[in-house]
Amino acid sequence: DTEVTQTPKHLVMGMTNKKSLKCEQHMGHRAMYWYKQKAKKPPELMFVYSYEKLSINESVPSRFSPECPNSSLLNLHLHALQPEDSALYLCASSQPRTGAGLGTEAFFGQGTRLTVV
Amino acid sequence: DQQVKQNSPSLSVQEGRISILNCDYTNSMFDYFLWYKKYPAEGPTFLISISSIKDKNEDGRFTVFLNKSAKHLSLHIVPSQPGDSAVYFCAASLNTNAGKSTFGDGTTLTVKP
Repeated sequence: DTEVTQTPKHLVMGMTNKKSLKCEQHMGHRAMYWYKQKAKKPPELMFVYSYEKLSINESVPSRFSPECPNSSLLNLHLHALQPEDSALYLCASSQPRTGAGLGTEAFFGQGTRLTVV
Repeated sequence: DQQVKQNSPSLSVQEGRISILNCDYTNSMFDYFLWYKKYPAEGPTFLISISSIKDKNEDGRFTVFLNKSAKHLSLHIVPSQPGDSAVYFCAASLNTNAGKSTFGDGTTLTVKP
């Protein structure tokens, strides 16, 4: 199983709503990521979890709250979002790096297309 | 300051010919480089990677070249096929346990039959 599964695929939410994005992988990867991608732009890293601990937060506003309940699951809790937060949210996983020049590729999910109205 | 740059937003190539996609980076601490391919409405898919200790890595029709002194890498696709039409992202990674990658803006490759 080399898949990263994201749900839902599409989400429309109001600015006062609370919703969650979910991500699951069963490849035994111990690093998981949330990226945000706007149209015609590259993926922008939001959060990194390494061994279920938050290791990188790229100065993301607190209306985005990540959670890693176990090594296979990653959630992104959304609250009081703004219309400019509308984007494709991508989850990815990989093995953590093990040394200089020894990287690994990330496996991406298909993303959740989020629209904030 | 954009640390990974793909200066060509688009590239059009005839089927069967070579496609060359370029990528430049500014941070000399990057030590692992990756190319991802992305179709519309899908997440990026890993294509090929190269470690900074190498200058070439080949996988079938795909070859990545790394010139560390110029801080430049390129992806060669030979022969190009219509199914290769997609957005190609270059990414660079620092030696941290998290494996964080910084992406370039992408190059849209169109392979014409």
